[in-house]
Amino acid sequence: DGGITQSPKYLFRKEGQNVTLSCEQNLNHDAMYWYRQDPGQGLRLIYYSQIVNDFQKGDIAEGYSVSREKKESFPLTVTSAQKNPTAFYLCASSPRTSGRETQYFGPGTRLLVL
Amino acid sequence: AQTVTQSQPEMSVQEAETVTLSCTYDTSENNYYLFWYKQPPSRQMILVIRQEAYKQQNATENRFSVNFQKAAKSFSLKISDSQLGDTAMYFCASGYGNKLVFGAGTILRVKS
Repeated sequence: DGGITQSPKYLFRKEGQNVTLSCEQNLNHDAMYWYRQDPGQGLRLIYYSQIVNDFQKGDIAEGYSVSREKKESFPLTVTSAQKNPTAFYLCASSPRTSGRETQYFGPGTRLLVL
Repeated sequence: AQTVTQSQPEMSVQEAETVTLSCTYDTSENNYYLFWYKQPPSRQMILVIRQEAYKQQNATENRFSVNFQKAAKSFSLKISDSQLGDTAMYFCASGYGNKLVFGAGTILRVKS
């Protein structure tokens, strides 16, 4: 079955630690996205990638980094510079990078700070 | 900047009844797309319905339909014959450029 997988489902971060969230898709989509979801704020775009080896900052990129070395993979690193990382993180993909396209979402990763 | 406003943080409806969720948006684009996504308690985001702004006909998917008022920049979602499985957070989103902009969401609870 085609889809998007995210791992882990839950992730715990200690002070000063970098952590990496995994996102993989087998939909053969060019575009991939990372969103952060906080209560009462909907989804906010962190980074997106239109194609391999290319990515762009979204609205809240500070404290995060990404890479896109393979078409199917778009990992997100939450660095120690992100002072309030506790949130639900969603990865999505679409055939192309366009506001016309339906985005398909993974099941999410819940990040908690110890 | 594009903005999407959902003015109803929470709503409830009796099973089998009809409910309408409101959404307004602000855009300077002429050609754009609008979406409703559903996020059930599992937190898996699922597309409910998609509307192209240049099409005047309102989109419909089974029990879900929209009332798209382009001049008023309004895009409400109507759910007919509500079912317990419709209990979820519903997000309205506007697509422009390379992005989607999401509203804050409406929690819908369907009661038996």
